Amino acid sequence: DAKTTQPPSMDCAEGRAANLPCNHSTISGNEYVYWYRQIHSQGPQYIIHGLKNNETNEMASLIITEDRKSSTLILPHATLRDTAVYYCIVTGANSKLTFGKGITLSVRP
Amino acid sequence: GAVVSQHPSWVICKSGTSVKIECRSLDFQATTMFWYRQFPKQSLMLMATSNEGSKATYEQGVEKDKFLINHASLTLSTLTVTSAHPEDSSFYICRAQQGASTDTQYFGPGTRLTVL
Repeated sequence: DAKTTQPPSMDCAEGRAANLPCNHSTISGNEYVYWYRQIHSQGPQYIIHGLKNNETNEMASLIITEDRKSSTLILPHATLRDTAVYYCIVTGANSKLTFGKGITLSVRP
Repeated sequence: GAVVSQHPSWVICKSGTSVKIECRSLDFQATTMFWYRQFPKQSLMLMATSNEGSKATYEQGVEKDKFLINHASLTLSTLTVTSAHPEDSSFYICRAQQGASTDTQYFGPGTRLTVL
């Protein structure tokens, strides 16, 4: 699976959009971009995934650049409950979902 | 949505005893289950992959005789930590895959193991 790079942390104000970046410059054509988050002492929670096109669901939007070398997860209206570690993972057919260190998002009141 | 449960949610045991952790997919059939562990302030580390009815595939550095994995049915996988020691204290998390590898993946809530 291709490696991903994320900043270690970021914060945003409650109610504002949180834009979480991820670099995956070695992604191959059949690999998907997944985002999960983990709130302290809980199992990871699926957020969204995509291959080429931008995706949106009730939780977030995923914007993938045209060259697919980076992506951004957007939480449109962050709340305090969105404080968590967010993992960007690139994986293909083996689906091992190798976790990196993720980015710690802190939402401030 | 799909739900994966783990039991117990936490367990404390004495050194040298064995502990069994169950992972169940509640409303779907999981052809593949994955087991992870997570030490404090660290990321999840994949331990092994199991397919229903087959032997588990362990990641490098994971002792298969110490961490016994059974995936006897499409809704249940178990991880047994044999002869547990304090260094095995960790957060153990399972993940269930329903079909294709690119489908949504579901994680269990985790089991906190503390070995005294």
